[in-house]
Amino acid sequence: KAGVTQTPRYLIKTRGQQVTLSCSPISGHRSVSWYQQTPGQGLQFLFEYFSETQRNKGNFPGRFSGRQFSNSRSEMNVSTLELGDSALYLCASSLGLAEHNEQFFGPGTRLTVL
Amino acid sequence: AQSVAQPEDQVNVAEGNPLTVKCTYSVSGNPYLFWYVQYPNRGLQFLLKYITGDNLVKGSYGFEAEFNKSQTSFHLKKPSALVSDSALYFCAVRDMRGAGSYQLTFGKGTKLSVIP
Repeated sequence: KAGVTQTPRYLIKTRGQQVTLSCSPISGHRSVSWYQQTPGQGLQFLFEYFSETQRNKGNFPGRFSGRQFSNSRSEMNVSTLELGDSALYLCASSLGLAEHNEQFFGPGTRLTVL
Repeated sequence: AQSVAQPEDQVNVAEGNPLTVKCTYSVSGNPYLFWYVQYPNRGLQFLLKYITGDNLVKGSYGFEAEFNKSQTSFHLKKPSALVSDSALYFCAVRDMRGAGSYQLTFGKGTKLSVIP
């Protein structure tokens, strides 16, 4: 079974631009979560989706948004990029609604904002 | 709010020696606890989880973890460390009260270095 895939793997943008990151979950997984990883803040939860609905959102400004499609694929968008948005963005998928299900992570998208 | 603490930023251990990576947690309800490992330029890989039952949980690559409810700890252990175990280790918790929510709260991570 193919794992979680994320595209692109690397991205360089300038301040003020916007960016869209894509995530394809493991086949059959309906839950997708996004995390931001930085050396200073560690792993921080952005949001999660299940069946095209946002179920939970972390403490990030409204510039960060996401969506999930009917095939469970997900995208996240960051508008008006700031230098501090430089990070590794990780997507994770999970099988279903049970809380004990572990999340499976993709390799991440490394975003650099200049 | 739930939280996870990994008190050691870095752990150094000689190859062949036992290793322990510490984790303590704070939740309101019963916890679901997880350990993940991250190799350079890679995503996180699931190692093991505690849901309920036996306090000693066995996982991938020879790792195990011991759940201690009274000490609110979930330390990761391995009897004999390998150089290839060198990586960044994350402990995470999901509060059982968050029904239907998959949000994981992660610790800051512990860098494990196994010295040949």
